[in-house]
Amino acid sequence: GDSVTQTEGPVTLSEGTSLTVNCSYETKQYPTLFWYVQYPGEGPQLLFKVPKANEKGSNRGFEATYNKEATSFHLQKASVQESDSAVYYCALAPGSNYQLIWGSGTKLIIKP
Amino acid sequence: EAGVTQSPRYAVLQEGQAVSFWCDPISGHDTLYWYQQPRDQGPQLLVYFRDEAVIDNSQLPSDRFSAVRPKGTNSTLKIQSAKQGDTATYLCASSRTGGHTEVFFGKGTRLTVV
Repeated sequence: GDSVTQTEGPVTLSEGTSLTVNCSYETKQYPTLFWYVQYPGEGPQLLFKVPKANEKGSNRGFEATYNKEATSFHLQKASVQESDSAVYYCALAPGSNYQLIWGSGTKLIIKP
Repeated sequence: EAGVTQSPRYAVLQEGQAVSFWCDPISGHDTLYWYQQPRDQGPQLLVYFRDEAVIDNSQLPSDRFSAVRPKGTNSTLKIQSAKQGDTATYLCASSRTGGHTEVFFGKGTRLTVV
């Protein structure tokens, strides 16, 4: 079946350091991939839809890359801030299915 | 535009009691989702609608959970005879049909069953 596996958390970083969150997926259909962020007391918000293979997308200082051959996609930020503390989810929409398959979430804790 | 609105924000029940959650999606969004999110876990889809039709409710515990969207706009999720295992945040989300468009989430209803 379709599945998504992501970096286990929590991940604790100091402000100004770099972040990488990895996700891998399994599906026999053409995937559409997403990154969502969830702040405490809020619902998840779309960070961005991952662009085509070997292209980079960016939003709010985060970048996403997608390796089609390795069926993996990655979220990166060069210099995290305390305000980036949240839970980050990768998600997969397999084929034309509107249902999202969610990763387990990576809780990011930034120390000032 | 207004976001997805949910009420109530919090609910505390005794086991065996019933509760209803209400959702007002973004205007013009024909697809509406209900998710259950246990503490420290990702969202898990319960049911989703396109207009008033249920598209998939296979993950809805049908003996105690029900969901309706009678006019294809607002929706209600009801739990009959709540159990402690139902403790979670219930998220409503909406999107437009047509490709993988963005899904917008409400703030959720945090349910505690004691």
